[in-house]
Amino acid sequence: LAKTTQPISMDSYEGQEVNITCSHNNIATNDYITWYQQFPSQGPRFIIQGYKTKVTNEVASLFIPADRKSSTLSLPRVSLSDTAVYYCLVGETYNFNKFYFGSGTKLNVKP
Amino acid sequence: NAGVTQTPKFRVLKTGQSMTLLCAQDMNHEYMYWYRQDPGMGLRLIHYSVGEGTTAKGEVPDGYNVSRLKKQNFLLGLESAAPSQTSVYFCASRQNTEAFFGQGTRLTVV
Repeated sequence: LAKTTQPISMDSYEGQEVNITCSHNNIATNDYITWYQQFPSQGPRFIIQGYKTKVTNEVASLFIPADRKSSTLSLPRVSLSDTAVYYCLVGETYNFNKFYFGSGTKLNVKP
Repeated sequence: NAGVTQTPKFRVLKTGQSMTLLCAQDMNHEYMYWYRQDPGMGLRLIHYSVGEGTTAKGEVPDGYNVSRLKKQNFLLGLESAAPSQTSVYFCASRQNTEAFFGQGTRLTVV
């Protein structure tokens, strides 16, 4: 099971682009990278998933370099409502037993 | 469509008491999970189930038991509550890429 490392916290201002990097040096060939978002007093919510290169949806973009040893979640033009904890998970898409969360990155968006 | 529903939302227990937390999902998902989240910490997996009638231990299973008698329900039991089990408990279900979480149960053991 690939271990992930993320910054404990980050600060940003409204309107800025925020990039949160996750390190996963021992990622396996069959592993995908998934990001979840958790607001205070709520359960986590799925944001995005990718295997390599770039994935984009209406919420965020996920950049994965060729060696796949890290990934970057990019949030465009953040607002106060993006203040949350962001979790990076690495695991096999079709092996749902390994569904472990790390400590995540606490993003604080300031006005 | 309710998604994942946890019952109760809040509970206060005395040390040594027992209780059961209920997680119900209406999405026909095979996989279900129970996590605990302590203040300022990430989620830790307690137990999980890969289908009706099956359960398995996660990272922190001690002091908890689970049952999955029906596909839509995953029960978490505390046999003899301890103050160290004060936490917020989250249930989740998934079928493929995306997992869906309940709103959590805030449990305080005094």
